[in-house]
Amino acid sequence: EAGVAQSPRYKIIEKRQSVAFWCNPISGHATLYWYQQILGQGPKLLIQFQNNGVVDDSQLPKDRFSAERLKGVDSTLKIQPAKLEDSAVYLCASSLGPRGGSRDTQYFGPGTRLTVL
Amino acid sequence: TQLLEQSPQFLSIQEGENLTVYCNSSSVFSSLQWYRQEPGEGPVLLVTVVTGGEVKKLKRLTFQFGDARKDSSLHITAAQPGDTGLYLCAGLNTGGFKTIFGAGTRLFVKA
Repeated sequence: EAGVAQSPRYKIIEKRQSVAFWCNPISGHATLYWYQQILGQGPKLLIQFQNNGVVDDSQLPKDRFSAERLKGVDSTLKIQPAKLEDSAVYLCASSLGPRGGSRDTQYFGPGTRLTVL
Repeated sequence: TQLLEQSPQFLSIQEGENLTVYCNSSSVFSSLQWYRQEPGEGPVLLVTVVTGGEVKKLKRLTFQFGDARKDSSLHITAAQPGDTGLYLCAGLNTGGFKTIFGAGTRLFVKA
């Protein structure tokens, strides 16, 4: 079974530029998550989708971050414009269950490492 | 705001030693998970504990969920260099669907 795919693996941009990340979850997984992991910290949930609807985006900085999950499969996360403090690894995860839950395993992709100069 | 504090932040030990890492919160969680993350990769789930007082064993790893479901520990017996990595605890809030991660314990096991 193929895992969660993310691209690109690395991205370097200057502040105020735009950037987009792509995630392809495990086939059949209803729930998709985007996390931000700053160096030395644990992952922080940015947004959680159930199929193509948003379950939780309370920690997404909506003035600059946006995400969509078209047709309930692939997802893109965009930052526009980027700030220095956005430098982090952006992790995508998926789980089988319809809304996540205590018995629902999240499978993570390898992440995209973003450096904002 | 629910927070999970992990300790120690960093641990460097010799192969064969035992160790325990801790995950503490003032909040109650419906379940708690432990992940291991290696450089350049995403976290991989090790275990989920659901019931207060629950103990689970995974080969040389023993996980315990506190009776009040506010804390957890991970004990590794006879650590090996392959155990090196970032160990993250993650709590599922009592609402049921939001996972909160701790900052992690970075373990380095020297051969």
